[in-house]
Amino acid sequence: AQTVTQSQPEMSVQEAETVTLSCTYDTSESDYYLFWYKQPPSRQMILVIRQEAYKQQNATENRFSVNFQKAAKSFSLKISDSQLGDAAMYFCACISNFGNEKLTFGTGTRLTIIP
Amino acid sequence: DSGVTQTPKHLITATGQRVTLRCSPRSGDLSVYWYQQSLDQGLQFLIQYYNGEERAKGNILERFSAQQFPDLHSELNLSSLELGDSALYFCASSSRLQWEQFFGPGTRLTVL
Repeated sequence: AQTVTQSQPEMSVQEAETVTLSCTYDTSESDYYLFWYKQPPSRQMILVIRQEAYKQQNATENRFSVNFQKAAKSFSLKISDSQLGDAAMYFCACISNFGNEKLTFGTGTRLTIIP
Repeated sequence: DSGVTQTPKHLITATGQRVTLRCSPRSGDLSVYWYQQSLDQGLQFLIQYYNGEERAKGNILERFSAQQFPDLHSELNLSSLELGDSALYFCASSSRLQWEQFFGPGTRLTVL
């Protein structure tokens, strides 16, 4: 079984500033993927970024980057130059065990952008 | 737009009734997943189908069932509905070659 923990129910950041959302996970598998999904008020689940566990290099997608600490089982999301459109719920998720490809989600962090 | 479609967008029904939610995956995706998002349970995996066959089961109630058809669309059937079944139901699809799942817009089910 795998678990994903997001310890920050809510975060806020000033527009144009940088914010980091925390996530820890636990899995017994050696082969797994980690994701951050964004859920804006429209409720659509949007994939923000993915990280393969076997890759040491941290993933980056434009203003979004992750800090993947495999030994600590930590997977934080950094949003640079925050924009009003970044306001949403952010979910950290994990897939492990290639034969059972279900996503296990954290409880989410609500991010508010202050103009 | 993820390429995954779900119908209907909203569904309002009464306790004890049965409903069917429909999902069409992205073109070429063989795997379909169903998730339930409720206020108190968060996002929970229900069931996965791969190329027409059930592949994995999660926290799916016996009152719920699903299937994937030869054209790869999937249906989630919810019966004997209870107030607690009110939730947002997501379908997602993925390619065998990738691990990320692409989500549809969801179906909002309200049981009165």
